[in-house]
Amino acid sequence: QSALTQPRSVSGSPGQSVTISCTGTSSDVGGYNYVSWYQQHPGKAPKLMIYDVSKWPSGVPDRFSGSKSGNTASLTISGLQAEDEADYYCCSYAGSYTWVFGGGTKLTVL
Amino acid sequence: QVQLVESGGGVVQPGGSLRLSCAASGFTFSSYGMHWVRQAPGKGLEWVAFTRYDGSNKYYADSVKGRFTISRDNSKKTLYLQMNSLRAEDTAVYYCAKEAGTPSYYYMDVWGKGTTVTVSS
Repeated sequence: QSALTQPRSVSGSPGQSVTISCTGTSSDVGGYNYVSWYQQHPGKAPKLMIYDVSKWPSGVPDRFSGSKSGNTASLTISGLQAEDEADYYCCSYAGSYTWVFGGGTKLTVL
Repeated sequence: QVQLVESGGGVVQPGGSLRLSCAASGFTFSSYGMHWVRQAPGKGLEWVAFTRYDGSNKYYADSVKGRFTISRDNSKKTLYLQMNSLRAEDTAVYYCAKEAGTPSYYYMDVWGKGTTVTVSS
């Protein structure tokens, strides 16, 4: 149950696009199409942004998109806005009703 | 609306015990699996435990297996986490989170605001 690997930080200017990677193994990210992404503002609870690799929950703008290739999943945020500045966590189902999170990525909007 | 409210956090000495609760409202609690997820100060999220909708099966992270017990009372719409043999590294904000359910059971769609557990002498 090792944590998924995410970059510690990424940054971009308003209007630009950024991509956050999430690398696991064939036992988690690579083995299932069950990667989800969560946004967390300081002192707040996580909020679901993407599920099942690339699906949007209602209310999440389509500026947020997800994808996966092999053992690496990615979250892309296009048209960056100031309110997108937050921590982002990936999460993957790891089999046998267990889950694993990434270490988190701090997004800074310059 | 769908809501989860955690309680029961506090300060406890190493080796001590604590029971967290998560009160659910706004959805049919007995139809959904439930998770506990924690976040140590300044650290990332860590999945802790999951129980299926009827409490028949329970699953744990290796870091808490044998020390923590997840349970639920569907008549009270409440999820619990019994934490024993607590260690300093269990210090964290503990969130309960709802399984999304049909058609995909593999993510958490609603989260509570968390309750803080501090293990310190």
